[in-house]
This record gives sequence, C-alpha cells and structure tokens, in this order.
Amino acid sequence: NAGVTQTPKFRVLKTGQSMTLLCAQDMNHEYMYWYRQDPGMGLRLIHYSVGEGTTAKGEVPDGYNVSRLKKQNFLLGLESAAPSQTSVYFCASTSSGSDTQYFGPGTRLTVL
Amino acid sequence: GENVEQHPSTLSVQEGDSAVIKCTYSDSASNYFPWYKQELGKRPQLIIDIRSNVGEKKDQRIAVTLNKTAKHFSLHITETQPEDSAVYFCAASKPSGTYKYIFGTGTRLKVLA
Repeated sequence: NAGVTQTPKFRVLKTGQSMTLLCAQDMNHEYMYWYRQDPGMGLRLIHYSVGEGTTAKGEVPDGYNVSRLKKQNFLLGLESAAPSQTSVYFCASTSSGSDTQYFGPGTRLTVL
Repeated sequence: GENVEQHPSTLSVQEGDSAVIKCTYSDSASNYFPWYKQELGKRPQLIIDIRSNVGEKKDQRIAVTLNKTAKHFSLHITETQPEDSAVYFCAASKPSGTYKYIFGTGTRLKVLA
C-alpha cells in the first residue's frame, strides 16, 4: 500500500514551458487536492476534486489546470510556466467521512 | 473570506520545556481542526486533530485545546525533544461536502539540546 505518490520529485522548467504533475493514490479515496507551499505562506489550495470526472478551483487556481479521469489519479498541468510558479507542490487525498487528508511526498518545481 | 491565523511563526524552546502554538479561525461553521508536522524536505503528517464537539484531546506528549466561543485552538507539546523540531501547521475545515482545509502559515519549532 503506497498511499499517495507524486511524479516527478524534482523538475526545472524554463519560462513558457509546459508540464504535468501526476498524483496517484491507492486508498480508493474520493477526494483529492493540489496545494502549493511557499515560504511563510503555508499550504494554499490550487484545485481539488470530489470524485472521478469532477474538478473545482481552490484559492490560487490561476495558471493551472487539472484533470481527474480516473479515481486514483489527479493531474496538475502548467500550460505556460512562470517564475512565480516556482514552489513545492503537494497532492493530498481523503475519503468521505474521514476528514483527514493524507499527503504525497511533494514535487519541487523551479521555473527559470 | 475564510482565514486561519497562526502564531508564533518561529519558536525556540529548551529541551524538556513545553511549547504552545496558537491558531485563530474566522469561519464559525468550522468543525474539524487538524495539526500537521512537517520535517525538513518531507510531507506534512497528521499528528493530532480535534472536532468541534470536544474541548481537549491528548495523545502522549501532545494535546490540542479548542475554544469555540473565541474561535481559537492551540497545540501543546510537553517535555519537548530534539526530534520535535519541525514546522507545524494548523488547519480548519467546515462541513461543506468537500473536506477542504484552510491552513495556517506554519510555526517553525526549534528544540535546543
């Protein structure tokens, strides 16, 4: 039981490039979340999903898109990366009635 | 909008002393309050949580208290040890069917040996 996994662990992009971050969970959780973590700002919600095929905006959605085609996967896309998107990205998941979110190991993204 | 304020941003204590971190939330509908510990370079991990129908919860050296009237909750760590050094985040969640959290900005705790 791997829990929540994220791919890749590290990535360096140039301004304007695109990429997709993959989050996978094997706990059959309905709810999944993408956060970004910046120094002094805690964890801020980018987008979330309450079930397969659904997505919704969080606090800081601009510049990101997401998809949840399969229940176990939640993808975060950057269409045209900007230096302001340099951050550590965490995925999390939870099940209905649980409240507790379980986090992935994070992806450190640098945009030059 | 919804907000969670966390204080202090940094805290240094001597090994064996107690540490207290405080959070204040703005949405009175919030009913679930988890605390996460994040070691350097690692993922946040849940250490304790409390629901709005409970005033206090303990787990060995860690306790959380909740004051619904004042809309604040606190993390208490007793007999601190060097391995307690980490960043601690509080969060608040309300019954919206989404299980979304609003996180505080974190407290960096240093336990000095």
